[in-house]
Amino acid sequence: LAKTTQPISMDSYEGQEVNITCSHNNIATNDYITWYQQFPSQGPRFIIQGYKTKVTNEVASLFIPADRKSSTLSLPRVSLSDTAVYYCLVGATMDSSYKLIFGSGTRLLVRP
Amino acid sequence: DTAVSQTPKYLVTQMGNDKSIKCEQNLGHDTMYWYKQDSKKFLKIMFSYNNKELIINETVPNRFSPKSPDKAHLNLHINSLELGDSAVYFCASSQGQNTGELFFGEGSRLTVL
Repeated sequence: LAKTTQPISMDSYEGQEVNITCSHNNIATNDYITWYQQFPSQGPRFIIQGYKTKVTNEVASLFIPADRKSSTLSLPRVSLSDTAVYYCLVGATMDSSYKLIFGSGTRLLVRP
Repeated sequence: DTAVSQTPKYLVTQMGNDKSIKCEQNLGHDTMYWYKQDSKKFLKIMFSYNNKELIINETVPNRFSPKSPDKAHLNLHINSLELGDSAVYFCASSQGQNTGELFFGEGSRLTVL
């Protein structure tokens, strides 16, 4: 199973761009990279998913280099409400069952 | 309308008791999951059902028994509760089993005394 490694915590200030990098050295050919956001007392919320190069949606951008051994979630101009835990996941296909493995996540604190 | 709803949201009980957590999704998805989040915030998959059929059982003790009466429901029954079962249990659903986009409920916090 592909394992992910990401920083335990990050601090930022309102209005700044935040980049959270995740490493997944053992990613398999068919695996996608997915990022989730979790607020206290809530379930994780899907942010973005990609396979290679760059993906952008209304919330974030995901940068994936050619070797796919890492990925970077970019949050433009963060606000206080972006304070949350961010999880990087790599899908692991086992016996035709797609299993998402959540790591420890990155705790992002946005300060005023 | 809540997409994935779980009940109860909080559950406090004694060791040895049996309890159930219910989950319902109104997204029309055919795959549902149970995840467990412990005190260290690690989120681990427990079970996955696709069209009412069990497809993932992540070496969970037999005391945990999921039941899927239909595609929209996945309940979790726990027998003989232990202190280590204290955690937040999240239900989730997805359109198909080969996707990374899951929709999670708000969680059910179980405390075993």
